[in-house]
Amino acid sequence: GQQVMQIPQYQHVQEGEDFTTYCNSSTTLSNIQWYKQRPGGHPVFLIQLVKSGEVKKQKRLTFQFGEAKKNSSLHITATQTTDVGTYFCAEKRDSGGGADGLTFGKGTHLIIQP
Amino acid sequence: DADVTQTPRNRITKTGKRIMLECSQTKGHDRMYWYRQDPGLGLRLIYYSFDVKDINKGEISDGYSVSRQAQAKFSLSLESAIPNQTALYFCATSDLGGSGNYNEQFFGPGTRLTVL
Repeated sequence: GQQVMQIPQYQHVQEGEDFTTYCNSSTTLSNIQWYKQRPGGHPVFLIQLVKSGEVKKQKRLTFQFGEAKKNSSLHITATQTTDVGTYFCAEKRDSGGGADGLTFGKGTHLIIQP
Repeated sequence: DADVTQTPRNRITKTGKRIMLECSQTKGHDRMYWYRQDPGLGLRLIYYSFDVKDINKGEISDGYSVSRQAQAKFSLSLESAIPNQTALYFCATSDLGGSGNYNEQFFGPGTRLTVL
């Protein structure tokens, strides 16, 4: 079945350092979504990438979609304590049979030390 | 988002009991989903629905059932709860994507279920 591999599982950084999480798939992704879940909270949508090689920015967050559409990354510049949480990538389930819903990566927990 | 609500927020039950988790939305979305989250495993899809009375299995539907009697409501049932169904359960909604794109999902606050 579909698998989206996400690394690393945990990342400890000092406040002000950069952070990157990576998402990889063995198959071509139709699109990729990124979500953030704060501790004790629910996943909140950040962005969707659709095009090969696409790069999108949201303030200190940069999202990339690989040229082959098999990988994606989220980079945070100069982390702040408000960035703490778990970041998930997710892809739409196989559309061949009309399936719906998302397949999530296992997430990267970002821990920030002041 | 207050637009998607879940009840109860926390529940402790015993093995063999029947449990129902409720989800309501005011976003007017047709599509609704149930996911479970376990530490280290991310979120996994249990069931989803395109519209009223429409039910589709997700990745891990065994041991669960759902009901979609109204557009705004999607309930998840555990007919006979077992300890490995202890997890955080999320309901989510989305509407139809445009231009071939898949739309974002809006998640409820979650229900923490413990089966003893």
